[in-house]
Amino acid sequence: GAVVSQHPSWVICKSGTSVKIECRSLDFQATTMFWYRQFPKQSLMLMATSNEGSKATYEQGVEKDKFLINHASLTLSTLTVTSAHPEDSSFYICSANRDFNEKLFFGSGTQLSVL
Amino acid sequence: AQSVSQHNHHVILSEAASLELGCNYSYGGTVNLFWYVQYPGQHLQLLLKYFSGDPLVKGIKGFEAEFIKSKFSFNLRKPSVQWSDTAEYFCAVHDMRFGAGTRLTVKP
Repeated sequence: GAVVSQHPSWVICKSGTSVKIECRSLDFQATTMFWYRQFPKQSLMLMATSNEGSKATYEQGVEKDKFLINHASLTLSTLTVTSAHPEDSSFYICSANRDFNEKLFFGSGTQLSVL
Repeated sequence: AQSVSQHNHHVILSEAASLELGCNYSYGGTVNLFWYVQYPGQHLQLLLKYFSGDPLVKGIKGFEAEFIKSKFSFNLRKPSVQWSDTAEYFCAVHDMRFGAGTRLTVKP
């Protein structure tokens, strides 16, 4: 089956630094990739939708200057948390699908801890 | 290894039929469990979740799920499905490890 690889799975950083999270579709071309965030004991919250070669569409309340998304190719999307602060500590997960109406495949997630 | 299994890959039902989608997990200890739905062309939507308390959880759109700790299961149910329930259904545990998904097709 289709595989989505997300890296790193766990990262600790100092406040004020930037962190990049990668999401790769390993055996298919992902038309669309989605980035989600999960706070403890809550469900996933969609942050943004990215399409290859175009600007990401951010959900209301998500700061696009804080969470930079680059969908450089059909197999790679990156989320950069810029000038991270402790309140950005969270679990981030990406997902992708081949086509608009097809099922999602999920990365394994990234636990970000900002000190 | 820790995993989430959804045994039904594709389920086809007629309208008004009852639905049960299986979800099993292989985690020890306390787990938080979720069911999400992906309607065609849309992103995920939370159906229901279990953290603690009553093992029978009721969610949106008439869905419910029962947490059976002894069976490591969290099956999703709906007494009478509608054509609009056609979607992909995902079971997930607290660290967002997802099952492979079950496609539900409801015939009118």
